[in-house]
Order: sequence, then C-alpha cells, then structure tokens
Amino acid sequence: SQKIEQNSEALNIQEGKTATLTCNYTNYSPAYLQWYRQDPGRGPVFLLLIRENEKEKRKERLKVTFDTTLKQSLFHITASQPADSATYLCALDQTGANNLFFGTGTRLTVIP
Amino acid sequence: DTAVSQTPKYLVTQMGNDKSIKCEQNLGHDTMYWYKQDSKKFLKIMFSYNNKELIINETVPNRFSPKSPDKAHLNLHINSLELGDSAVYFCASSRQEDTQYFGPGTRLTVL
Repeated sequence: SQKIEQNSEALNIQEGKTATLTCNYTNYSPAYLQWYRQDPGRGPVFLLLIRENEKEKRKERLKVTFDTTLKQSLFHITASQPADSATYLCALDQTGANNLFFGTGTRLTVIP
Repeated sequence: DTAVSQTPKYLVTQMGNDKSIKCEQNLGHDTMYWYKQDSKKFLKIMFSYNNKELIINETVPNRFSPKSPDKAHLNLHINSLELGDSAVYFCASSRQEDTQYFGPGTRLTVL
C-alpha cells in the first residue's frame, strides 16, 4: 500500500528564512497531491493542490513542486513569519476520486 | 457562517457505551468524510459518502457506522466504545475531486 513520509517531524527556522518541507511517497504517482495546514485544536485547512502534470504551483508566499520521478513534493514558505508556525500535512489522492491519504505531518516553528 | 460544523466538541464516555457525533456542512458539497486523528496526530480516513452512497469504507470496525439523512449531514455512530477509540474525529466535505473542508473536530475520550 502507499506509504507517505514527511521526513521531518519538526522543523525550526528563523523568521524571514524560507522553510522547505518534504513529502515522499512510495508507490505509483497520485492523480494530485494536496498540502494542508493544521493548528492545535483545529481541523486541517487546505493550502495548495498540484496535479500530476504540473511541476510547480504558487500562492502568495507558498510554493509547491511535484516530481513524479523522485516521487516527491516540496512545500516552500518564503519570508516565513511566526504566524506560519503550525503542522503541515501532505495528502495524496491516488484515484482521482478524492480518496485522500495523509502524511504524518511536519510541525514548523518560526522563531522571531 | 461555519462551513462544516460538528457536535459535540468534546465527548467523554465510559467503555461499552454507544455514542454519536453529528456533522453538518452548508457548502452544498456532494461528498462528506469522517477521519480519525490518533494521539500521534496521524489523520486517517474512515468513511466517505457521496449522494447518500458509501464510497469508501476503510478497515474500521463495524462498531462504527456512518449515517447520512441528507446531503448536508453525515453522522457517525459508535457502538460498544473501547479505550482505543479515544481520538479526535474530524468531519470534512468536498465537491467531487476537489479540496476538502474540515470541521473543528470532536475529541472523544473513552474511560
């Protein structure tokens, strides 16, 4: 079965730097991949979706890349701020029917 | 206006009891989901409903049963609660093949 790994359980960076989070999967490439943000005590909130035929997607300070050869997605937050501190989850849809499988998440802390 | 709402927010109960968690969405979405997030924060899909039809049923115990009275509601019934059922349960909704909108979660504690 598909295994989804987010290689850092926790990541600390200095305010203003770029945070880079990694999501790797093991089996066949999904139809699309999504990134969500989760704050303590709250439900995940959608950030970005990238399809298998797209290399890169941007939204304000966020950028996602998708490399189906490496079976990897990178999630970047540029000019990071303390308010970006949260857990970030990647999720794969393998069937195109929104059957999402989530990674274990990376807890990002931006230090002022 | 709350897009996806769940009640109750907290639920504390004894082992062996039967309980329900309610979920409602006002987004007009076609599909609703239930997820379980364990103590290690791993989020795992349990069920989804599309137009009143169950389309995903992961390997969850049959003590868990989703019930959808209409397109805007998907309730989760749990029979004979066990200690291992303690977790945060999230409801979500989406248009088909689209991003998912999550509710605030229900923290279930089984004593």
